[in-house]
Amino acid sequence: KQEVTQIPAALSVPEGENLVLNCSFTDSAIYNLQWFRQDPGKGLTSLLLIQSSQREQTSGRLNASLDKSSGRSTLYIAASQPGDSATYLCAVNYGNKLVFGAGTILRVKS
Amino acid sequence: DTAVSQTPKYLVTQMGNDKSIKCEQNLGHDTMYWYKQDSKKFLKIMFSYNNKELIINETVPNRFSPKSPDKAHLNLHINSLELGDSAVYFCASRQGLHGHTFGSGTRLTVV
Repeated sequence: KQEVTQIPAALSVPEGENLVLNCSFTDSAIYNLQWFRQDPGKGLTSLLLIQSSQREQTSGRLNASLDKSSGRSTLYIAASQPGDSATYLCAVNYGNKLVFGAGTILRVKS
Repeated sequence: DTAVSQTPKYLVTQMGNDKSIKCEQNLGHDTMYWYKQDSKKFLKIMFSYNNKELIINETVPNRFSPKSPDKAHLNLHINSLELGDSAVYFCASRQGLHGHTFGSGTRLTVV
């Protein structure tokens, strides 16, 4: 069964901290992995996409890594800001569908 | 320009009614999807269409019927709505190994 787990479920940090969100998946036969951000009551904003052959992707203060063999991905956020507060979703693409984790709710305090 | 657009954004209806949600993408993508986000915010795939052909039907009750009149549109019709159908429904599209692009969601409330 294809399952995606995100840890922690919630995280509260002071502004300026570097932080890591974790994602693990049970089936390593993935096409790619996508990290999304969801603000309350809003849609999904794609942050980073990592293909199965890649090890990491970077966009600004965000860096995502992928270790396909161990079934893990991490999202690293540098110098966190209050505007980063949102739910972060990890989604694994198994060819024709995304399987989502339950998300990490992030709160960055000013 | 909105890449994936859904209408309506909000839908409040009574149990037993039939309703439709429309989705259009202007990205030229071949594959379109419907995902459901339940009250616990968990997202799960419902349907996938590739070039108007149904690819995935993820054990969704047959009260839900997707229709793809062309590659750019994927509509979702729901018959005999039940309280448990209340959720946010997201349309998405994708091309090849590129990432999914999501619409802004339709919040369905069944009363």
